[in-house]
Amino acid sequence: GAVVSQHPSWVICKSGTSVKIECRSLDFQATTMFWYRQFPKQSLMLMATSNEGSKATYEQGVEKDKFLINHASLTLSTLTVTSAHPEDSSFYICSAADLQGVEQYFGPGTRLTVT
Amino acid sequence: GQNIDQPTEMTATEGAIVQINCTYQTSGFNGLFWYQQHAGEAPTFLSYNVLDGLEEKGRFSSFLSRSKGYSYLLLKELQMKDSASYLCAVVDSNYQLIWGAGTKLIIKP
Repeated sequence: GAVVSQHPSWVICKSGTSVKIECRSLDFQATTMFWYRQFPKQSLMLMATSNEGSKATYEQGVEKDKFLINHASLTLSTLTVTSAHPEDSSFYICSAADLQGVEQYFGPGTRLTVT
Repeated sequence: GQNIDQPTEMTATEGAIVQINCTYQTSGFNGLFWYQQHAGEAPTFLSYNVLDGLEEKGRFSSFLSRSKGYSYLLLKELQMKDSASYLCAVVDSNYQLIWGAGTKLIIKP
């Protein structure tokens, strides 16, 4: 149980375009979903926390107008990278917490390359 | 501020035992996680400790001392596939996960 999927697993886009990444909890209801970014050889960096039906809470230094997060249902959250630039190239990972809220279940990640 | 320290890199031999330490200073404590992350993949859950003591799960064990702000992950009978980064993460008083930078474990034959 507790499976989280992400789509796409990798994407290449041109600078200036927008990319949407989906995160789904497949067999449980996720009241809270988290979006992380990880640059090579670095640890996970939390970008934002989203609760179903409410606005996401962004970490300091993360541009909310650039990284749009929508958590419209208990099983789906989306991250849209708007006007992507090469420096946005990174490994984006989502995780979901169930009603108990302590353990996070991670998706497989999405590798974004902006050319 | 909140801080989690773990060694950057460790090397061990196949079949041996290795202990990865994690010390933390956080605002509140609601448990500590260990995750394994292979290169290019998302983290996978290894253990969760909220009470003091040792929890054993197969070849992996995790220890916690809340009074010392200290945990370790013990890996026995090391296999080549154990080469990965091991992430320590603490749940603070706001139930936020505070992540360590990870320890890269290199297993040599």
